Amino acid sequence: DAKTTQPPSMDCAEGRAANLPCNHSTISGNEYVYWYRQIHSQGPQYIIHGLKNNETNEMASLIITEDRKSSTLILPHATLRDTAVYYCIVRLRRGNQFYFGTGTSLTVIP
Amino acid sequence: EPEVTQTPSHQVTQMGQEVILRCVPISNHLYFYWYRQILGQKVEFLVSFYNNEISEKSEIFDDQFSVERPDGSNFTLKIRSTKLEDSAMYFCASDRGLDSPLHFGNGTRLTVT
Repeated sequence: DAKTTQPPSMDCAEGRAANLPCNHSTISGNEYVYWYRQIHSQGPQYIIHGLKNNETNEMASLIITEDRKSSTLILPHATLRDTAVYYCIVRLRRGNQFYFGTGTSLTVIP
Repeated sequence: EPEVTQTPSHQVTQMGQEVILRCVPISNHLYFYWYRQILGQKVEFLVSFYNNEISEKSEIFDDQFSVERPDGSNFTLKIRSTKLEDSAMYFCASDRGLDSPLHFGNGTRLTVT
């Protein structure tokens, strides 16, 4: 069901930028890309979303390629608390649901 | 910041019993959802609800499941006759509509013995 592909795991040194890639080559023109994260078994936490333009908020930046076939979530200064599973989700226009893939397990290393 | 709240945080029930999981979505949100996550597996969509009716449901959401918004603030998921394989974290979510982010609660851990 998920329309996205992410690496299963990544490491990042504390204080460095974490760059998490996502491929969504079949995305349609009016579908948004959303990023969520899940720490342990807590509820998924919204991070950021975008359509075409790059977006930035207090948590992260989202870079979407011009052809919209891929995107990168950037955590500018990773901390140990950023260790989590990160999900890239394309919101389908039929209905209103999100489909979660298996995500990227990010480990921030001291 | 408003948040989605779920109760109870942990529910233990015996196989064959009915269970009701409760959620209070964010007050100005219009769309409501239930997801589940079996231990070690991915988050799976169950059902979405809008304007007092189901708008989408997955194959998982069979006749044993039902949802209700009984009083304009609560949103419930009922499992009629629980099975061992229903043991999972159940997450409620809500949003304001298309292209706005879903906000998730912290889940109810359901254990069926």
